[in-house]
Amino acid sequence: DAKTTQPNSMESNEEEPVHLPCNHSTISGTDYIHWYRQLPSQGPEYVIHGLTSNVNNRMASLAIAEDRKSSTLILHRATLRDAAVYYCILRDPSGNTPLVFGKGTRLSVIA
Amino acid sequence: DTGVSQDPRHKITKRGQNVTFRCDPISEHNRLYWYRQTLGQGPEFLTYFQNEAQLEKSRLLSDRFSAERPKGSFSTLEIQRTEQGDSAMYLCASSFRAFYNEQFFGPGTRLTVL
Repeated sequence: DAKTTQPNSMESNEEEPVHLPCNHSTISGTDYIHWYRQLPSQGPEYVIHGLTSNVNNRMASLAIAEDRKSSTLILHRATLRDAAVYYCILRDPSGNTPLVFGKGTRLSVIA
Repeated sequence: DTGVSQDPRHKITKRGQNVTFRCDPISEHNRLYWYRQTLGQGPEFLTYFQNEAQLEKSRLLSDRFSAERPKGSFSTLEIQRTEQGDSAMYLCASSFRAFYNEQFFGPGTRLTVL
């Protein structure tokens, strides 16, 4: 799996939007971009994934650069419950491979 | 609750003892994964089953580690002759074969080797 680079930590005020960046300059043409997050004392949970087009779901939005070398996870209104480590992961289209986690970005949300 | 469950949630053992962890995946999921996570790091892949077949093992899985999924349902991970370096959170995840293959994680078993 290609490597991803994320900032170690970010901070946000409650109820403000958060943009979590991820660089993946060596992404292959068929790799999907997945985001997982890990709340304190829990296992990771799936957030969102995409290939080329921007994606929205009830948890977040995923904005993918036109050249696909970077992406941004957008939380539209951060809450205290969004404080977690966010992982950006590339996966081949079969989805058969295990997840390869980096260190992720630790998001702190300030009330 | 029909999520992934793991037992025990915490295990404290002395160096040299054997330990066994259990994972019960979501019932219709045919894929089951084990990961290990140490403090400040992301989870690292250990091994993966499709039904009862163990399809892939990481180099992290030394000879002291063994995993089984005897009937394609629950899985066990055994560590023999534990070492202090085995102290970590052991995570289990399951998925259903689908094109994007989202993995659902359990809460983990925290192992402390004294």
